Amino acid sequence: GQNIDQPTEMTATEGAIVQINCTYQTSGFNGLFWYQQHAGEAPTFLSYNVLDGLEEKGRFSSFLSRSKGYSYLLLKELQMKDSASYLCAVSSNTGGFKTIFGAGTRLFVKA
Amino acid sequence: GAVVSQHPSRVICKSGTSVKIECRSLDFQATTMFWYRQFPKKSLMLMATSNEGSKATYEQGVEKDKFLINHASLTLSTLTVTSAHPEDSSFYICSARAGRSSYEQYFGPGTRLTVT
Repeated sequence: GQNIDQPTEMTATEGAIVQINCTYQTSGFNGLFWYQQHAGEAPTFLSYNVLDGLEEKGRFSSFLSRSKGYSYLLLKELQMKDSASYLCAVSSNTGGFKTIFGAGTRLFVKA
Repeated sequence: GAVVSQHPSRVICKSGTSVKIECRSLDFQATTMFWYRQFPKKSLMLMATSNEGSKATYEQGVEKDKFLINHASLTLSTLTVTSAHPEDSSFYICSARAGRSSYEQYFGPGTRLTVT
């Protein structure tokens, strides 16, 4: 089966850097996503990694190590609006293409 | 970016009635659509995967007779919650993918279902 683990909650200060970790176990790995979700809203796409390494996109970066089953999302220059849940999701092509989500990490950004 | 709409955004229904939720891809053809439900402060739980023109594939533990999914065209999928009960109250979100080679899923805005 699939298993995705990420911390439940994190707190960081405005302007700081925060790293949200995600570990996963899956067969037929086909990529790892990070999504941002504000309360009561649908998730919005942040990043996709299918090869090992770091992908940088503005204030957000995502890293993947397939051999370790590990990813992290790095948020720089934190802003209050970054307070949200961050969902790690793994795409698998076993039994059909589908994406399974982790429980999410609720990030609180304080002034 | 690609846009996915859902209708209705909110619905309140009485126990025992059925509710249909529509998911549309507005500017692209979605070969695959996914239906998720989300409980408060919890992550998205995949309910089923639907491919246009074929039967939906349901995840373990999801009753296919209760959650009827139809993917009649490349731009429309519907989820019907039959004989709804209060425990079916949840946030239902659909997502769509343009093709098997496309990795990105585009999410609809979600439908808040409340069963009284």
